[in-house]
Amino acid sequence: GEDVEQSLFLSVREGDSSVINCTYTDSSSTYLYWYKQEPGAGLQLLTYIFSNMDMKQDQRLTVLLNKKDKHLSLRIADTQTGDSAIYFCAEREQGGKLIFGQGTELSVKP
Amino acid sequence: DAGVIQSPRHEVTEMGQEVTLRCKPISGHDYLFWYRQTMMRGLELLIYFNNNVPIDDSGMPEDRFSAKMPNASFSTLKIQPSEPRDSAVYFCASTRTGGYTIYFGEGSWLTVV
Repeated sequence: GEDVEQSLFLSVREGDSSVINCTYTDSSSTYLYWYKQEPGAGLQLLTYIFSNMDMKQDQRLTVLLNKKDKHLSLRIADTQTGDSAIYFCAEREQGGKLIFGQGTELSVKP
Repeated sequence: DAGVIQSPRHEVTEMGQEVTLRCKPISGHDYLFWYRQTMMRGLELLIYFNNNVPIDDSGMPEDRFSAKMPNASFSTLKIQPSEPRDSAVYFCASTRTGGYTIYFGEGSWLTVV
């Protein structure tokens, strides 16, 4: 079945770049997403990428997609303490449902 | 745009009681999803609707769980009877056909004691 895998933890220093990685299995996924969840809060959509794109940049965020390897990454430039949260990768199946990874907890140290 | 609205935000109930969670999707959205988030299992899709019709309920854990969507602007997720292992955050989400973005509500934080 479909599966999305992420590493569980990442720790960086303030001002450094963060790279969060994700692998997925469904090659027919149309869109791939990154959501952010802060403690006690809901899921905030950060960005998405269409499956026929290689890269998408949005301010400090850069998404890279390697469709051959089914690998997705999210790069956050100039990481701030306010970026500390859990980041979820998700693939979208036909019909619209999202399959989420386990989430990567990003810790930003001052 | 008010976003996806869920209620209650927090609920503490005793084992055996009935729990009803509510969701109002974004106006004009024809897809509605119910997800559950736990530490052990992460984010799981429970059920989703298209045009008020349940399309896939394979994620509903057992007969104690039921979901309805009587109209385009309202859905409920009911647990009867509730058990401590149902303690989780329940998210509702919506999108429209052909839409890129799937919007989530703030979640209903359920504790069953």
